[in-house]
Amino acid sequence: GAVVSQHPSRVICKSGTSVKIECRSLDFQATTMFWYRQFPKQSLMLMATSNEGSKATYEQGVEKDKFLINHASLTLSTLTVTSAHPEDSSFYICSAGASANTGELFFGEGSRLTVL
Amino acid sequence: AQSVAQPEDQVNVAEGNPLTVKCTYSVSGNPYLFWYVQYPNRGLQFLLKYITGDNLVKGSYGFEAEFNKSQTSFHLKKPSALVSDSALYFCAVRVRNQAGTALIFGKGTTLSVSS
Repeated sequence: GAVVSQHPSRVICKSGTSVKIECRSLDFQATTMFWYRQFPKQSLMLMATSNEGSKATYEQGVEKDKFLINHASLTLSTLTVTSAHPEDSSFYICSAGASANTGELFFGEGSRLTVL
Repeated sequence: AQSVAQPEDQVNVAEGNPLTVKCTYSVSGNPYLFWYVQYPNRGLQFLLKYITGDNLVKGSYGFEAEFNKSQTSFHLKKPSALVSDSALYFCAVRVRNQAGTALIFGKGTTLSVSS
């Protein structure tokens, strides 16, 4: 299957700092990428849909100023958690679709953010 | 509202026994259904999908799922469980949203296979 790479896999930061997470599609071009957040022992919550060359579409309840998403190319989307606080600590997972027809997604390995 | 439900938080089976992980859905139109597996601190791995055609879908690692339109279900099955199948399993359905389409996930079911 298609490969989606996510970096960093783990990051620890101080409260108030900003953290950037990168998501790359390695062997295919992804017009659309998705960012999910997963709390411990819970499901994935869709945060936003990232479209190459345009603004991201955020799900209800997700602060767009807190979670900045940029999709500058067909192979790279970034999520920046701005002014991070301990409650932002979570597992963030990106995904991209190789097939627009089926909706099947390929997932990155996830990034665990811990805000102290 | 469009949704997907996994009624069991945990499923326990003995190695060699058949397993079933349940999933029901609620969407408008024809459903696109998926199963993913997640190992600790990892991303999700695709197992199988139902788009159209045969109601019994075969996927990776010997898993299969049966689409039942009348019961709006898409249960994941395997004839003979392995200890290495122990993981967190997610059912997902494609939905249309303001951004186009996206996958929404059930809450997940932890499968524990004992030796």
